[in-house]
Amino acid sequence: AQSVAQPEDQVNVAEGNPLTVKCTYSVSGNPYLFWYVQYPNRGLQFLLKYITGDNLVKGSYGFEAEFNKSQTSFHLKKPSALVSDSALYFCAVRPPDTDKLIFGTGTRLQVFP
Amino acid sequence: GAVVSQHPSWVICKSGTSVKIECRSLDFQATTMFWYRQFPKQSLMLMATSNEGSKATYEQGVEKDKFLINHASLTLSTLTVTSAHPEDSSFYICSASQGAPSYNSPLHFGNGTRLTVT
Repeated sequence: AQSVAQPEDQVNVAEGNPLTVKCTYSVSGNPYLFWYVQYPNRGLQFLLKYITGDNLVKGSYGFEAEFNKSQTSFHLKKPSALVSDSALYFCAVRPPDTDKLIFGTGTRLQVFP
Repeated sequence: GAVVSQHPSWVICKSGTSVKIECRSLDFQATTMFWYRQFPKQSLMLMATSNEGSKATYEQGVEKDKFLINHASLTLSTLTVTSAHPEDSSFYICSASQGAPSYNSPLHFGNGTRLTVT
């Protein structure tokens, strides 16, 4: 079965420190990979995507993600966290030849001042 | 660009009544829209894929007679929760892909509708 795993329900980090939010996937073929962020009672906002090419993808608000094909991972990173980054982050995968997105269970990021 | 507007943002209704949620793409045409349901502290569950001018495709386990979807134009899809019950209380989110479905294009999401059935 195709799936996306976000192993951490919550990640806590101090402001100014680097952050990593983990994501692994199980999808046949070469999927497209996405990260979204959700603020309370809001929809999802697109952060970045990996389609092909360079394994390090840069996105909005200083976020980046590293694609690792051998480990089937797509971890979200940011060199220096801000309190305003505190939100719920979703990793999503779109299998080949489909327009549907499969979402992970989400990771709540809490950045402390 | 690529703004998706969802209305209402929250609604409270009595058990047994029906509620309609609208999803509009404001500055682009959306041939395909998706409806998701999100339970507290859980991920998004795809309910159905809405295609302009044709019947929606529902995911397994989703009752199509209860969750009526209409995609009458390239900028509007509606979800009607019929004969709502308290267990239908949830956060419903729509999304759309800009232009024709493109596998490497991100989806654009509405801000969601919080439905509470009393």
